[in-house]
Amino acid sequence: AQSVTQPDIHITVSEGASLELRCNYSYGATPYLFWYVQSPGQGLQLLLKYFSGDTLVQGIKGFEAEFKRSQSSFNLRKPSVHWSDAAEYFCAVAPRGAGNKLTFGGGTRVLVKP
Amino acid sequence: DVKVTQSSRYLVKRTGEKVFLECVQDMDHENMFWYRQDPGLGLRLIYFSYDVKMKEKGDIPEGYSVSREKKERFSLILESASTNQTSMYLCASSLTWTANTEAFFGQGTRLTVV
Repeated sequence: AQSVTQPDIHITVSEGASLELRCNYSYGATPYLFWYVQSPGQGLQLLLKYFSGDTLVQGIKGFEAEFKRSQSSFNLRKPSVHWSDAAEYFCAVAPRGAGNKLTFGGGTRVLVKP
Repeated sequence: DVKVTQSSRYLVKRTGEKVFLECVQDMDHENMFWYRQDPGLGLRLIYFSYDVKMKEKGDIPEGYSVSREKKERFSLILESASTNQTSMYLCASSLTWTANTEAFFGQGTRLTVV
């Protein structure tokens, strides 16, 4: 069965510092890959997605993610964090050709220090 | 903008009650999903539907059922609510069964069963 692992439950970062969130997946074939963000009291918003092609994907709010097939990873990065980036981040995968039936990681909560 | 609306943000129900969670989307999406969100576990798929009157079990369907009588509406039903069903419930929709479309999420319903 497919699974998604986000090894870091909490990350604290200073405003202006860089951020990297880790995501590893276990799947029979390369799935579609997603990062979602959930601000307090809100639903999920899509940050970026990878379907095929360039393995470095640009998203909204200055985020990017890199797909590494050899490592089964899809790590999220941001060069300079803003206080508004404090939120919970979810990595998710979906099988190819089977809709948006997403499998999520456990999430990483990001705290931003002033 | 796509809008996925969940009828309640907060619900408190008693053990044994029958509970209905309603979700409506306004973009003529074929697919609709119900997820449950718990700390450290991320989101887990309860049920999904790819067409009117069609439904498929997700990863944790026990204790739940669903109804989709109209394309825009997808209801989650707890036949006899139990305290272990206290959780955040998120509804999502996506355009078609082709996976290269994103899923849009509602704001969530926080259900407490006492």
